[in-house]
Amino acid sequence: AQSVTQLGSHVSVSEGALVLLRCNYSSSVPPYLFWYVQYPNQGLQLLLKYTTGATLVKGINGFEAEFKKSETSFHLTKPSAHMSDAAEYFCAVLKAAGNKLTFGGGTRVLVKP
Amino acid sequence: GAGVSQSPRYKVAKRGQDVALRCDPISGHVSLFWYQQALGQGPEFLTYFQNEAQLDKSGLPSDRFFAERPEGSVSTLKIQRTQQEDSAVYLCASSPISYGYTFGSGTRLTVV
Repeated sequence: AQSVTQLGSHVSVSEGALVLLRCNYSSSVPPYLFWYVQYPNQGLQLLLKYTTGATLVKGINGFEAEFKKSETSFHLTKPSAHMSDAAEYFCAVLKAAGNKLTFGGGTRVLVKP
Repeated sequence: GAGVSQSPRYKVAKRGQDVALRCDPISGHVSLFWYQQALGQGPEFLTYFQNEAQLDKSGLPSDRFFAERPEGSVSTLKIQRTQQEDSAVYLCASSPISYGYTFGSGTRLTVV
């Protein structure tokens, strides 16, 4: 069975500071990995995904994530936080194309001016 | 359409009432998923369709939950005799044959 753990349900950062959201997964086979963002009263928007190839993945809005197989991690970073980054972020794993996504519990990001 | 459309956006149901939630996926998307997102939690898988075939319904929490996609396009999630624990946001996602999920904005169900 797959599981996804997001360390820290809430993260507070100052505007302009580094954003780091942690995600660890357990999977019996190399998974596909995703980060989604959810703004209030909206659905999930894909930030980035890792499938194969380069382990450093760049996404929208200046976010990037690095797949580290040895650490079973897929942490999300952004060098400089913007007020518009305040939202909830979900890490998710997919075992095989077409199969269901398994989500972590989410991390809510608060950006302080 | 350009995105996944869900209706209604908000639904208030009295306990014991039946509800039907609609999902209109992106045209041509073969796969369709339903997820349940309780307040403050990540989405949990409910069921999966490939065209009109329901290939996985392992996440449906009880036999009060039923989903269909009769023509391989629009899908309906039906909840019979709603209970307070059914209160959640119900998300629909569609994708082509491979990965690349697009989520709708969800239906927020409140059972009172």
